[in-house]
Amino acid sequence: TQLLEQSPQFLSIQEGENLTVYCNSSSVFSSLQWYRQEPGEGPVLLVTVVTGGEVKKLKRLTFQFGDARKDSSLHITAAQPGDTGLYLCAGVTDSNYQLIWGAGTKLIIKP
Amino acid sequence: KAGVTQTPRYLIKTRGQQVTLSCSPISGHRSVSWYQQTPGQGLQFLFEYFSETQRNKGNFPGRFSGRQFSNSRSEMNVSTLELGDSALYLCASSLEGLRGSPLHFGNGTRLTVT
Repeated sequence: TQLLEQSPQFLSIQEGENLTVYCNSSSVFSSLQWYRQEPGEGPVLLVTVVTGGEVKKLKRLTFQFGDARKDSSLHITAAQPGDTGLYLCAGVTDSNYQLIWGAGTKLIIKP
Repeated sequence: KAGVTQTPRYLIKTRGQQVTLSCSPISGHRSVSWYQQTPGQGLQFLFEYFSETQRNKGNFPGRFSGRQFSNSRSEMNVSTLELGDSALYLCASSLEGLRGSPLHFGNGTRLTVT
């Protein structure tokens, strides 16, 4: 069974703090996607990383794909209440093009 | 460009009944995939349809089935509903499917089984 372990499951911090969310697996992925989901809505794609070691930035969000393409991280700098939501990672497996999902990180940013 | 539309938004059914959910993808997208989302299990892949053919299937019992029409619209059917089927059901469309192209999700159908 291919697993994508996401941590932490829940994070509540004050506005202005920094945070990092991790997705780890023993499987190799051809690409990895990060989504954000707000209550009552479907997930919205934030970024796709494809190359091992790749770093992508989206304003205050920095995404990194591990060199071996087995893990990824999302770092948020100076978090704001608008960053509140459920963050999901999803990896496309090399072997059979299945999309494997992490369990999600519920992030709350308090003003 | 209209987004992914799922109907209905909310549904209440009783155990043993069956239900059909509908998903209209973004125009031009040929892939539709379905997911079950629950607080305990997270987002779980049900199946993917591409050009009317089921291309991938997750680990769900045969009570869960789907189909895709020639206009790419898709339906998902759950028969003999169980309490554990209560969940948010999401569909997503994409150009090329799960082989790397981004997924565009609808806002889901919230199914409650009593």
